[in-house]
Amino acid sequence: DTGVSQDPRHKITKRGQNVTFRCDPISEHNRLYWYRQTLGQGPEFLTYFQNEAQLEKSRLLSDRFSAERPKGSFSTLEIQRTEQGDSAMYLCASSRGQGVTYEQYFGPGTRLTVT
Amino acid sequence: QQPVQSPQAVILREGEDAVINCSSSKALYSVHWYRQKHGEAPVFLMILLKGGEQKGHEKISASFNEKKQQSSLYLTASQLSYSGTYFCGTDFPNDYKLSFGAGTTVTVRA
Repeated sequence: DTGVSQDPRHKITKRGQNVTFRCDPISEHNRLYWYRQTLGQGPEFLTYFQNEAQLEKSRLLSDRFSAERPKGSFSTLEIQRTEQGDSAMYLCASSRGQGVTYEQYFGPGTRLTVT
Repeated sequence: QQPVQSPQAVILREGEDAVINCSSSKALYSVHWYRQKHGEAPVFLMILLKGGEQKGHEKISASFNEKKQQSSLYLTASQLSYSGTYFCGTDFPNDYKLSFGAGTTVTVRA
């Protein structure tokens, strides 16, 4: 069990640029979640996958955000035309099973700074 | 739908006890507790399910009052390692994602 990994750990980009983050979940976990966390707040749900299927996307998530999980393995989160308000920590978590009755294991996060 | 946590912060001396509360305005299916240390990822502590089942850390205790839609996390005989921000995450029937509270920052001093 190598844990959930995320890459990159830090990303600084200029407003208007596109960025892509990668998450590698624990290998036997079929659920994968993306969250956004800002200072002083808890993780905010963005989207989740059951294997390769994206089952839900937050209504607060703009069309500039897209996520994929090809073949049910790693996942990518892309933000197009970044804005300063996108600056945050982006966390990925994975869990086994099909419900939320299983604990989620979080990765170290990608800290995005939009200048 | 975000749960409300209280208190926002608590300062303890080693060996003291504390209670962190998490409440929801909607009927809950489960409550999850995580601890996050500065600059690190949240770490799972416990899940409490409707009906009384619990899964989690042996040294952490918590309760889930289904009627009040409230959960409490009990930090007993606190240690320095208990310092961090504690988040509760709640989910509702047929809603397969967690909504996290704003967190309770716990500082344990020697």
